[in-house]
Amino acid sequence: KAGVTQTPRYLIKTRGQQVTLSCSPISGHRSVSWYQQTPGQGLQFLFEYFSETQRNKGNFPGRFSGRQFSNSRSEMNVSTLELGDSALYLCASRQGRDQPQHFGDGTRLSIL
Amino acid sequence: QKEVEQNSGPLSVPEGAIASLNCTYSDRGSQSFFWYRQYSGKSPELIMFIYSNGDKEDGRFTAQLNKASQYVSLLIRDSQPSDSATYLCAVNSKSSGDKLTFGTGTRLAVRP
Repeated sequence: KAGVTQTPRYLIKTRGQQVTLSCSPISGHRSVSWYQQTPGQGLQFLFEYFSETQRNKGNFPGRFSGRQFSNSRSEMNVSTLELGDSALYLCASRQGRDQPQHFGDGTRLSIL
Repeated sequence: QKEVEQNSGPLSVPEGAIASLNCTYSDRGSQSFFWYRQYSGKSPELIMFIYSNGDKEDGRFTAQLNKASQYVSLLIRDSQPSDSATYLCAVNSKSSGDKLTFGTGTRLAVRP
């Protein structure tokens, strides 16, 4: 079974631009979560989608948004990029509420 | 009080020793508990999950859960230098909408 796939792996943007990251979950997993990881802040929860609906949301500004499609693939968008948005963005999928999450390799976003 | 707390370390143990990693959580409604290993620059990898009080063993790893005391631990027997990584504790709680909450991780260093 293929794992969680995130694209692209690396991305370089400049301040003020916007970016869209993509995540394909493990087949059969309907829940997709997004995290931001920086050296100083650890793993910060962005949001979780289940069956195309946002189920949980972290404490991030409205510049961070996401969506999930009917095939469970998910996208995350960040608008008006700031230097502080430089981070590793991780996507994770799980089969059910009590099941473990499985992570993709992440997208490393650098803002210049 | 943080929802999930871990000692940041580093925890240094000699090769062949038992490494003991601890995690406490604040939400008594938590029902699912997970341990992830994360190597530097990589994404988290699931090691163990436990749902019931007591011990759960898988190879060199043992997860221990005590819901009354609200702690979960991970023991690594016969520690190897390749076990050197950051270990993340994650807790799933129905009272928080089944959001998976991560601790900041404990860095483990195994000395050859």
